[in-house]
Amino acid sequence: DAGVIQSPRHEVTEMGQEVTLRCKPISGHDYLFWYRQTMMRGLELLIYFNNNVPIDDSGMPEDRFSAKMPNASFSTLKIQPSEPRDSAVYFCASSVLAGETDTQYFGPGTRLTVL
Amino acid sequence: GQNIDQPTEMTATEGAIVQINCTYQTSGFNGLFWYQQHAGEAPTFLSYNVLDGLEEKGRFSSFLSRSKGYSYLLLKELQMKDSASYLCAVRRFNNNDMRFGAGTRLTVKP
Repeated sequence: DAGVIQSPRHEVTEMGQEVTLRCKPISGHDYLFWYRQTMMRGLELLIYFNNNVPIDDSGMPEDRFSAKMPNASFSTLKIQPSEPRDSAVYFCASSVLAGETDTQYFGPGTRLTVL
Repeated sequence: GQNIDQPTEMTATEGAIVQINCTYQTSGFNGLFWYQQHAGEAPTFLSYNVLDGLEEKGRFSSFLSRSKGYSYLLLKELQMKDSASYLCAVRRFNNNDMRFGAGTRLTVKP
């Protein structure tokens, strides 16, 4: 199993530019999560999907952030326009609701730097 | 809302035992998780508790008291590779809504 795949691993962009982060969850998992991690705020849940449907997007900071999941094997997180305060590591995670543990498996993350 | 509190940093000696505490306040509690995260890497699952008591898994154990909103992660026979951040996370309701604490950075010294 390849695990959760994220791309790119690193992204450096200038303020005002559009940024698109990509995630491929583990095959068969029906939950997908987007998190953001910074030193100041720790690991924050941005949005999660169940069977490709957004369930809770209350963690999305503002309208500049949007996420889609067009099919079970792909999701994107888009920031437009990007700002320096968006600099963080963005993690995608997936899980399957199959019993007690239901642990989330994290991808390697995308380190975003907005100059 | 919910609060998840854990110490920011801890230091321990190789071969020793360390206990990392986590307290939480939440509605619809449905499980508590501990994750390990090495610097520059993704969090990885360590343990899960949904009922009161102690769950043991090798050198790591996790305890939960639902009435007190309290959990701890116990690491025995510490090794240098255990230096990492340890994240406490609470799952709510009957879904996968999981919220993380800020993490405890553990440094293991020789």
